[in-house]
Amino acid sequence: AQRVTQPEKLLSVFKGAPVELKCNYSYSGSPELFWYVQYSRQRLQLLLRHISRESIKGFTADLNKGETSFHLKKPFAQEEDSAMYYCALRGYGGSQGNLIFGKGTKLSVKP
Amino acid sequence: NAGVTQTPKFRVLKTGQSMTLLCAQDMNHEYMYWYRQDPGMGLRLIHYSVGEGTTAKGEVPDGYNVSRLKKQNFLLGLESAAPSQTSVYFCASSDRTRNGDEQYFGPGTRLTVT
Repeated sequence: AQRVTQPEKLLSVFKGAPVELKCNYSYSGSPELFWYVQYSRQRLQLLLRHISRESIKGFTADLNKGETSFHLKKPFAQEEDSAMYYCALRGYGGSQGNLIFGKGTKLSVKP
Repeated sequence: NAGVTQTPKFRVLKTGQSMTLLCAQDMNHEYMYWYRQDPGMGLRLIHYSVGEGTTAKGEVPDGYNVSRLKKQNFLLGLESAAPSQTSVYFCASSDRTRNGDEQYFGPGTRLTVT
């Protein structure tokens, strides 16, 4: 079964501390993975995708096929990073290439 | 360039009432989607469309119908609303031929069914 698991509903860190939002997936083959973010009172938007191997707003995410993980990391959290973060997997077969979202992790960065 | 817009922003319905949510996009995207967002459940796909005149079921289609008569519009209908359909509904669109299929989301519609 194709599935995305985000084990933490809420993650709270202090400003300047490192942050890691966990994402594990279940998928046979080469996965396509994404992180979407929803800031307060804003619409959901793409943060980064693993094929781009990019760093956006200081965030990076590395695909680890051995551990089937795609954790989102930032070395020094900022208050403006407080938001809801969703990990997503592109599903195939019955999912027709649609995105399968995890349940989300709410990141709270305290001053 | 408005991107993806949704109307209405808020709505309160009584059980059994019907309503239609409208999604419009001005990016000429082929793909459009309707999701619902519930606390602790994340985003779940209700229905989607791969082009004008086509629709398909997603993960949680029961109780909803959709239509895509024009490429830029994707309508989500509730024929007989139930309290379990209280949720925030998001529309999204994408172009799978470019941009790695980034989905662009609307601002959401908050629906309460009493």
